[in-house]
Amino acid sequence: DSGVTQTPKHLITATGQRVTLRCSPRSGDLSVYWYQQSLDQGLQFLIQYYNGEERAKGNILERFSAQQFPDLHSELNLSSLELGDSALYFCASSARAVLDTQYFGPGTRLTVL
Amino acid sequence: GESVGLHLPTLSVQEGDNSIINCAYSNSASDYFIWYKQESGKGPQFIIDIRSNMDKRQGQRVTVLLNKTVKHLSLQIAATQPGDSAVYFCAENTGSGGSNYKLTFGKGTLLTVNP
Repeated sequence: DSGVTQTPKHLITATGQRVTLRCSPRSGDLSVYWYQQSLDQGLQFLIQYYNGEERAKGNILERFSAQQFPDLHSELNLSSLELGDSALYFCASSARAVLDTQYFGPGTRLTVL
Repeated sequence: GESVGLHLPTLSVQEGDNSIINCAYSNSASDYFIWYKQESGKGPQFIIDIRSNMDKRQGQRVTVLLNKTVKHLSLQIAATQPGDSAVYFCAENTGSGGSNYKLTFGKGTLLTVNP
């Protein structure tokens, strides 16, 4: 158990819908990262937040957004969902903003029908 | 169009043997590298990391070797056990500058340990 929690574990929705994935980092960690893992693209970095502020951006679509709240939990919002958005979404956390071990949560499996 | 899945390199070893998993990284400026293990249905689990000012680092039963000349990273697992069966990913920090941290993951290697 990494100490990072993610909810929900599974999510099934329809195209065009919007969903919110939630992540609670390890106690004491200030940095949160979101990743997408799919069969054809592998594990892709989406976005990083540190202490409430966006820190780095990766291959995140404009339909996706994220935020980190004062209690340090984070949410990833996915809107106008497409079939191709079906994937595992992982959250990771680390204590510092740079060059620090990232601990991954168990993931949320999103299925778009 | 047809979806093409990742075709993972695979490594099959006997229990008790040593395993070596290789990774070629892309960015000669990468300053930090990590190996992760991912078991089926779980999130990636940290194994070991190494900074670019080192060429070797050892952990418990694992050793990471870094060859910056040829941009190659390897993970050695001693006395491989069935519980080591998983997909192993290398990741490099491809963020530019000291304040930018962005991990880029390799496609992974599937390790199967035969009892």
